[in-house]
Amino acid sequence: SQTIHQWPATLVQPVGSPLSLECTVEGTSNPNLYWYRQAAGRGLQLLFYSVGIGQISSEVPQNLSASRPQDRQFILSSKKLLLSDSGFYLCAWSVPSPLSPLHFGNGTRLTVT
Amino acid sequence: GIQVEQSPPDLILQEGANSTLRCNFSDSVNNLQWFHQNPWGQLINLFYIPSGTKQNGRLSATTVATERYSLLYISSSQTTDSGVYFCAVVGGSYIPTFGRGTSLIVHP
Repeated sequence: SQTIHQWPATLVQPVGSPLSLECTVEGTSNPNLYWYRQAAGRGLQLLFYSVGIGQISSEVPQNLSASRPQDRQFILSSKKLLLSDSGFYLCAWSVPSPLSPLHFGNGTRLTVT
Repeated sequence: GIQVEQSPPDLILQEGANSTLRCNFSDSVNNLQWFHQNPWGQLINLFYIPSGTKQNGRLSATTVATERYSLLYISSSQTTDSGVYFCAVVGGSYIPTFGRGTSLIVHP
């Protein structure tokens, strides 16, 4: 069966420090991968999605970047964190079909101080 | 892009009560899911329901794709049902779009 791993679960980082959040999927090949952010106030905002290795689409311009160095690995990065980067970051995957359901990891709660 | 509206935004119930959550969307969809976000932030997949009706225990969902809405029914609510319920749709862009959610609090 397929599983998704996301780490770390929580992270406290100072303003100006770098960021690297990692997400890996097991049990499937060539998944669509997504990074979402949930700020206080509930809504989920799509940040990046990827349909294949090295293929990244950005939905919202910001202080973050994403990379997909391997088929089932998705990394969210920042060179210098801002206070506004605080939030709950969720990785998700789906089979590459618009008819397939979305599956989420457990999320990373990031606090920038 | 496709717009997703959920109602009500907030709901407070006594344990044992029933409720209906609604999701309206602005265009035809290929995929619709209901999620429950528990107090620890985990998003639990409740239903994958682009059309028709499904039931899972005390929960059921109905999507009327031609009228662009979906309903999530919670019967005999329990305190563990508390959390935020999200509707997510996939339209022609093939990108999942979420509503802002319904926050549910069930009191004992």
